[in-house]
Amino acid sequence: DQQVKQNSPSLSVQEGRISILNCDYTNSMFDYFLWYKKYPAEGPTFLISISSIKDKNEDGRFTVFLNKSAKHLSLHIVPSQPGDSAVYFCAASAFGSSNTGKLIFGQGTTLQVKP
Amino acid sequence: GAVVSQHPSRVICKSGTSVKIECRSLDFQATTMFWYRQFPKQSLMLMATSNEGSKATYEQGVEKDKFLINHASLTLSTLTVTSAHPEDSSFYICSASPSGDEQFFGPGTRLTVL
Repeated sequence: DQQVKQNSPSLSVQEGRISILNCDYTNSMFDYFLWYKKYPAEGPTFLISISSIKDKNEDGRFTVFLNKSAKHLSLHIVPSQPGDSAVYFCAASAFGSSNTGKLIFGQGTTLQVKP
Repeated sequence: GAVVSQHPSRVICKSGTSVKIECRSLDFQATTMFWYRQFPKQSLMLMATSNEGSKATYEQGVEKDKFLINHASLTLSTLTVTSAHPEDSSFYICSASPSGDEQFFGPGTRLTVL
């Protein structure tokens, strides 16, 4: 049972445009959501997170939106840069706090930003 | 700061042998370490959670006798894949968490069992 789903395995955008990566979840107990970026042969690195009490969190070029009623979150990157090309994982936690709880990951979306 | 290393980065072994993977937090003490496994084009699947000095907590479907986890110190956790078989071939990633609010990932270990 895939509790966190990223239905788009890949996304290609032009440099300077907006990248929108989507993530859906099924477990209503999830209360903290995170996005990770992963380069080949490296471990994931934390990008941005959002608590379920918020619907938006912004950090520079990265914004995460949470729609609890739809059990959907999205990561917006604007403007997209070639260095953003990587695999992006959505993850969710049900432990009421931050990042030290058990994380459930989506399958990942490979983003390619073309110069 | 917050660097996590894994060793080895890549290992190839024969079926039936055991393989040990080390996970170290280099510049912080990790009260909790997590072990994940990632098959190609799939998500990272949590295998177990380990706390220093206590037994690991395994996720459903993960054999604790096959995947031995030892969290001997606040900077080191090891995962031993015992009697490895080709279906154990995967990318194994650890993460370490200080007693704070973030989980830092290692670079992963690619295991290939022939």
